[in-house]
Amino acid sequence: AQTVTQSQPEMSVQEAETVTLSCTYDTSESDYYLFWYKQPPSRQMILVIRQEAYKQQNATENRFSVNFQKAAKSFSLKISDSQLGDAAMYFCAYRSVQTGANNLFFGTGTRLTVIP
Amino acid sequence: KAGVTQTPRYLIKTRGQQVTLSCSPISGHRSVSWYQQTPGQGLQFLFEYFSETQRNKGNFPGRFSGRQFSNSRSEMNVSTLELGDSALYLCASSLQPGGDEQYFGPGTRLTVT
Repeated sequence: AQTVTQSQPEMSVQEAETVTLSCTYDTSESDYYLFWYKQPPSRQMILVIRQEAYKQQNATENRFSVNFQKAAKSFSLKISDSQLGDAAMYFCAYRSVQTGANNLFFGTGTRLTVIP
Repeated sequence: KAGVTQTPRYLIKTRGQQVTLSCSPISGHRSVSWYQQTPGQGLQFLFEYFSETQRNKGNFPGRFSGRQFSNSRSEMNVSTLELGDSALYLCASSLQPGGDEQYFGPGTRLTVT
């Protein structure tokens, strides 16, 4: 079974600074999707960014970008110009392409605090 | 377009009772997945429905069941509730399985006493 590991339970960043959240995963599959989801205190899970494994180019969404290292099975999230609204739990997630299943495998999450 | 809605938002039940949670996907979305979120186990996949058929099931006991209706709305049922079933239950919808982004609802917070 696929496993997703987030080794940083908590992180903090000063407002306007940059922070990187780490994620590693274990799979024997060659094609898959990786996601970062944000869950603020309101609990609504929001998709931040997604990466398809066959694409070598790292995904970018405004202030959010990823560093996808397929050989190392690493998928880190960089948040630039951090804002107070970025404070939340961040979950890394994996979804298989080969099995056709829609279920996501989640990491344990990283709680991000943004310091004014 | 309205997002994924879940009802009720909060629920308190007693051990041994059963509960039904409801999820209405985004209009046009036909795939619905359910997840359980607890502090101890994190986010775990329960099951996935598409076109009224269960496509995939996570590693949960048979007390957890679900169904999907012709309008894509989905319900999940937990029978003989245990204290450990206390959790946030999240529903996610997508246009179809595989390749599409999943959009999550706000969740139902179930407390079992």
